[in-house]
Amino acid sequence: DAKTTQPPSMDCAEGRAANLPCNHSTISGNEYVYWYRQIHSQGPQYIIHGLKNNETNEMASLIITEDRKSSTLILPHATLRDTAVYYCIVRSGIQGAQKLVFGQGTRLTINP
Amino acid sequence: GAVVSQHPSRVICKSGTSVKIECRSLDFQATTMFWYRQFPKQSLMLMATSNEGSKATYEQGVEKDKFLINHASLTLSTLTVTSAHPEDSSFYICSANPSGGTDTQYFGPGTRLTVL
Repeated sequence: DAKTTQPPSMDCAEGRAANLPCNHSTISGNEYVYWYRQIHSQGPQYIIHGLKNNETNEMASLIITEDRKSSTLILPHATLRDTAVYYCIVRSGIQGAQKLVFGQGTRLTINP
Repeated sequence: GAVVSQHPSRVICKSGTSVKIECRSLDFQATTMFWYRQFPKQSLMLMATSNEGSKATYEQGVEKDKFLINHASLTLSTLTVTSAHPEDSSFYICSANPSGGTDTQYFGPGTRLTVL
């Protein structure tokens, strides 16, 4: 699976949009981009995933560049409860190749 | 939907004893479950892949005789830490992938193990 690069930490003001970048320049055609987050002392929470089209759900939006070498997770109106470590993971979409390899992620702090 | 539970949430044991951690998928069946370990201030590290009805697949460096995994049903996988030592103290997290669905993994809340 392709490696991802994320900034180690980011700050965002409450109520503003939080934009978390992720580079995955070696991504291959059948690999999906997944985003999870982990609030302190809890298990990771699934946020969103995509292949090449932009995706939106009730939690966030995922913007994937046309060349698929990078993506951005957008939390449209960040709240204090969005403070967490956010992980961007690239994983093969081939059935059975299901391992998730976690990097260090981005520690997002939402400030009041 | 897609809820995964773990039991216990926290356990303290004496060195040399064995500890069993349960991982259950509450509203879906999971042919495959995964076990991760997370030390303080570090990321999650995959320990093993648990397959229902067959032997688990362990990651390099993880001792299969120390971390026993049993996946006897489509909703339950157990991890037993045998002869636990203080260095096994960690946050153990399981995840499950719904059978026949997308490849999205859903994680349990984790189990904090402290070995005295």
